[in-house]
Amino acid sequence: GQNIDQPTEMTATEGAIVQINCTYQTSGFNGLFWYQQHAGEAPTFLSYNVLDGLEEKGRFSSFLSRSKGYSYLLLKELQMKDSASYLCAVRASGGYQKVTFGTGTKLQVIP
Amino acid sequence: GAGVSQSPRYKVAKRGQDVALRCDPISGHVSLFWYQQALGQGPEFLTYFQNEAQLDKSGLPSDRFFAERPEGSVSTLKIQRTQQEDSAVYLCASSEWGQGTDTQYFGPGTRLTVL
Repeated sequence: GQNIDQPTEMTATEGAIVQINCTYQTSGFNGLFWYQQHAGEAPTFLSYNVLDGLEEKGRFSSFLSRSKGYSYLLLKELQMKDSASYLCAVRASGGYQKVTFGTGTKLQVIP
Repeated sequence: GAGVSQSPRYKVAKRGQDVALRCDPISGHVSLFWYQQALGQGPEFLTYFQNEAQLDKSGLPSDRFFAERPEGSVSTLKIQRTQQEDSAVYLCASSEWGQGTDTQYFGPGTRLTVL
C-alpha cells in the first residue's frame, strides 16, 4: 500500500519562496506527481518526477529522492494566485500504475 | 481541445435517493478514473477503466456504488440509496494510456450533498 504525508497548512508572504514537503512509503514506486487545486476547482498537473533530482518549470520546481522517500515542491516569487492546495501523489509500479494522493497542503499567500 | 467535463456540477439528494453522475473524458483517452474527495482531503481512488473494461473497483466503498463505461468513452457513477456520508465531491480524470509518464487530467467534479 501507499502512505503519503504532507503538512496540512502553510502560510507564506507574497514574493517569497516556499517549500512544501512530501514523504511517502510505498510497496512499489514509479513516479511522483504534484497537483495544484484551487478551492472548488479540479486538480491541475504541475510536475512529475520519476528520477532523483530537481525538475524546474518556471517559478515551480520539484525535487525527488527515491532512497529517502521524499519530495518537495518549491514555489518562488509567490503570487496571491498561488493560494491553493498542493497535492502530492505517488504512482505505484506494476499493473496499470495506480496513483494515490496525499491529503494536500493548503497554502495561503499573504501580502 | 476540450477537457474533461462532468455533470451535474452540483447535486442535492435526499437520503435514500439514487443518483447518477456523468463524466465525459478527453476524446481518445483510454484510461478513466473516479475519485471521491471529502472536504479538506485529497482525492480517494474509487475505480478505474481501461476502455470499457473496469479493471479496478477496489476503492468503491460499498455495493451501493456502481460505475460503468459501456462504449469506452462516457462513464457514469451511480450511487444507490444515498447516505449522508456519501456527501463529497466526485472527480473524474482521464489519461491517454494510464501508464508511464502519463498525466491524469481532471474534470471540475460533481459536488454531491445528501440531506
